[in-house]
Amino acid sequence: GQQLNQSPQSMFIQEGEDVSMNCTSSSIFNTWLWYKQDPGEGPVLLIALYKAGELTSNGRLTAQFGITRKDSFLNISASIPSDVGIYFCAGRTQGGSEKLVFGKGTKLTVNP
Amino acid sequence: DAGITQSPRHKVTETGTPVTLRCHQTENHRYMYWYRQDPGHGLRLIHYSYGVKDTDKGEVSDGYSVSRSKTEDFLLTLESATSSQTSVYFCAISGRANYGYTFGSGTRLTVV
Repeated sequence: GQQLNQSPQSMFIQEGEDVSMNCTSSSIFNTWLWYKQDPGEGPVLLIALYKAGELTSNGRLTAQFGITRKDSFLNISASIPSDVGIYFCAGRTQGGSEKLVFGKGTKLTVNP
Repeated sequence: DAGITQSPRHKVTETGTPVTLRCHQTENHRYMYWYRQDPGHGLRLIHYSYGVKDTDKGEVSDGYSVSRSKTEDFLLTLESATSSQTSVYFCAISGRANYGYTFGSGTRLTVV
C-alpha cells in the first residue's frame, strides 16, 4: 500500500524556537493535510493543501505542498507550550480512492 | 466542531468476549472510517464505509466487523476480543472524497 515517510519521529525544543517537519512519498499526491493530536483526543485538521507549490498559513503554522507533489512540510514559528502534541501528515494519491494515507506522526515536546 | 461522538470512551473487557464500539455523527456525511492507533504504528485503517450498508476492509481488518444501517451510525465489532486488540480506536467522518477527515475523541479499549 501507499506509505508516507514522516520525519522526525520526535522533537524536543525550547519555547520560542521554530520547528520544521516533513513528509515524503514515492507516489504523487493531489492532497496534503496536516493534523495535530493533543493527548487523549483525536487528531484535528490544521492545514489542507490542494495544489503543487501551494503555501498556506494558519497563525504560526505554515505548510507547503511540494512542487514534485511527493512531499510536504509543516513549519511552526515561535513555539509555545501548547504546541505540544503529535503532528500527522496525511495525503491522497493521484487517481487514488477517497481514503487518506497517514504518516506515523512527529511527537513534539516544548520545554518552557 | 463537527458532530461526531464515540462511545464508550473507555472499556475494559475480557479475552474472548465480543465488543461493539459506536460512532455517531450528526453531519449527514457520507464517508465514515474506523482507525486504531498504537505506538510506533500511527493510525491504521480497520474498515470504512461510503454509504449505508456499503463498507469495505482496511489494512488491519482481521478480527473486526462493521455495520452501517443508518447514515449517522457506524459500529465496529470485535468478534472475540484478543489482547492484541488493546488499542485506542478512532472514528472519522468525511463529507466529500477530497476533503480531510474529522475525528472523534477516541475509545480506549483494554483487553485483559
